[in-house]
Amino acid sequence: QKEVEQDPGPLSVPEGAIVSLNCTYSNSAFQYFMWYRQYSRKGPELLMYTYSSGNKEDGRFTAQVDKSSKYISLFIRDSQPSDSATYLCAMSPFMDSNYQLIWGAGTKLIIKP
Amino acid sequence: GAVVSQHPSRVICKSGTSVKIECRSLDFQATTMFWYRQFPKQSLMLMATSNEGSKATYEQGVEKDKFLINHASLTLSTLTVTSAHPEDSSFYICSARIASHSGANVLTFGAGSRLTVL
Repeated sequence: QKEVEQDPGPLSVPEGAIVSLNCTYSNSAFQYFMWYRQYSRKGPELLMYTYSSGNKEDGRFTAQVDKSSKYISLFIRDSQPSDSATYLCAMSPFMDSNYQLIWGAGTKLIIKP
Repeated sequence: GAVVSQHPSRVICKSGTSVKIECRSLDFQATTMFWYRQFPKQSLMLMATSNEGSKATYEQGVEKDKFLINHASLTLSTLTVTSAHPEDSSFYICSARIASHSGANVLTFGAGSRLTVL
């Protein structure tokens, strides 16, 4: 079993829909949770990061962490064709001196105009 | 914001030649940089951790003699793929840690380098 599970998709939704992207994990030591967006043939860019449980909102994006269920989500409201990309979740333990992130496989998202 | 510049973005080479990829932190100092490899439709695979002024730390299964990493300054790390073969064809991405907010390991990435070995 992988430490982080993420459905690779693709997930195809119409423009304007609410998108829900998810990851599950097995290591209860994870404290920091990140979402990265990667356009084709580009490096990933950080969208949001959260510490421990709870929600964090930034514009159309909301990150949610449920540590009791070991489940994290990224919601995209009013989705746009420009949101079409691969979304990767990543996580790490608190004060990990190796600075290593554990990555999900990435979910390919397609927003249809 | 913190920017990591990586080049070349694309390189095509003949089998047996060596290729160097550079990664620079433009407006900050990066004591640690990370090199990843990404196969099509797959996630990032950490290859090695590059530390300024010391030897890189390689992940299990990564050949250190094949993938030479040098981190000579606080703003530059290089990855050299030596005696490249077609199976080395991949997308290579560097990154640097940009935030230390209460221990968060937040990374910023370069744009990636697509290597094609003929």
